[in-house]
Amino acid sequence: GENVEQHPSTLSVQEGDSAVIKCTYSDSASNYFPWYKQELGKGPQLIIDIRSNVGEKKDQRIAVTLNKTAKHFSLHITETQPEDSAVYFCAATAMDSNYQLIWGAGTKLIIKP
Amino acid sequence: AAGVIQSPRHLIKEKRETATLKCYPIPRHDTVYWYQQGPGQDPQFLISFYEKMQSDKGSIPDRFSAQQFSDYHSELNMSSLELGDSALYFCASSLLGGGSYGYTFGSGTRLTVV
Repeated sequence: GENVEQHPSTLSVQEGDSAVIKCTYSDSASNYFPWYKQELGKGPQLIIDIRSNVGEKKDQRIAVTLNKTAKHFSLHITETQPEDSAVYFCAATAMDSNYQLIWGAGTKLIIKP
Repeated sequence: AAGVIQSPRHLIKEKRETATLKCYPIPRHDTVYWYQQGPGQDPQFLISFYEKMQSDKGSIPDRFSAQQFSDYHSELNMSSLELGDSALYFCASSLLGGGSYGYTFGSGTRLTVV
């Protein structure tokens, strides 16, 4: 079955700098890779996603890249702001697993003023 | 826009009691997923329903059961509660299995077992 690993577990960056979170997956059949932002006591919120037929996707300050050959995908946040502080989860899913989300362990992103 | 509604937001129960958590998906969403998230943990998949039928089963204990009703809302029933059941329980909904349309999560129910 699918296994998703996420690094780092904690990331502290200066406000205005960029943050990169990386995930690897094991199942080559996975074809949908969402990223979620979770603030304390709230449900995960989808911030960006990418499908296996695309290598990169960008939405304002957030971008995701996918390398299918290496089976890894990354979240890039530029010009970080205090409100970016949260826990970020990557996930992977595939049609042959009934689209069950397999989650990474999460990255706590801390933006230092 | 309507989101996924979960109730109650907070619930305190004693050991061995029962609890029922409710999830109201986004209108027209036909798939519901339940997740359990312990402190500092990533969400663990419990069970999912598509068109009122169980579609997948994860690490749901035998003491728990769930169902999806004709209006697509879902309920998670938890019996013989244990201290270790204290967690955030999230429900997510999607359309047609989520792979093409993504998932939307509710704000969760925080269950505390004392």
